[in-house]
Amino acid sequence: KNQVEQSPQSLIILEGKNCTLQCNYTVSPFSNLRWYKQDTGRGPVSLTIMTFSENTKSNGRYTATLDADTKQSSLHITASQLSDSASYICVVRGSGTYKYIFGTGTRLKVLA
Amino acid sequence: EAGVTQFPSHSVIEKGQTVTLRCDPISGHDNLYWYRRVMGKEIKFLLHFVKESKQDESGMPNNRFLAERTGGTYSTLKVQPAELEDSGVYFCASSQGGRGDTYEQYFGPGTRLTVT
Repeated sequence: KNQVEQSPQSLIILEGKNCTLQCNYTVSPFSNLRWYKQDTGRGPVSLTIMTFSENTKSNGRYTATLDADTKQSSLHITASQLSDSASYICVVRGSGTYKYIFGTGTRLKVLA
Repeated sequence: EAGVTQFPSHSVIEKGQTVTLRCDPISGHDNLYWYRRVMGKEIKFLLHFVKESKQDESGMPNNRFLAERTGGTYSTLKVQPAELEDSGVYFCASSQGGRGDTYEQYFGPGTRLTVT
């Protein structure tokens, strides 16, 4: 069964600190992996999209890594801000399909 | 440019009733997706349209769910008759056409459906 698992489920950090969220997947064959940010009551918003050949991609203070061999990805947030409080969702798409498999997300809370 | 819009934002209906959710994708986006998130679970794929054609409806839970995309523009998702387990947030997303694997997918704000 194709799955996407994320850890931790939730995380609390102080403003200004860094954090790293993890994503492991078993989707095969693999096409691409996406990280989304979802604020409460809103739809997910794309942060990064990575294909098989990419192992790092940045979007401002967000940096995603991908190891397609071990089927692992991480999202690193630098110098966190209060507005980073949200759920972060890892999504994997298999090759030859438009079907996206979602993780359950990591709920991040940034405290002042 | 307007984003993906969904209507209504909330719907509360009784078991056995019918509800129709609407999604207006970003203009010009051929790909339209429906997803659902039930309480405490991950977002799950329901189906995918390319223009007016259903490409993959493998995620539709059962035949109480009917999705249409008239003329390849807006889409509706009808639940008839609704059951308690249909409660959740229904998201719509759209992306550009073509076979590109890395097209951005833009999500609407979702419709929260509560079946009582």
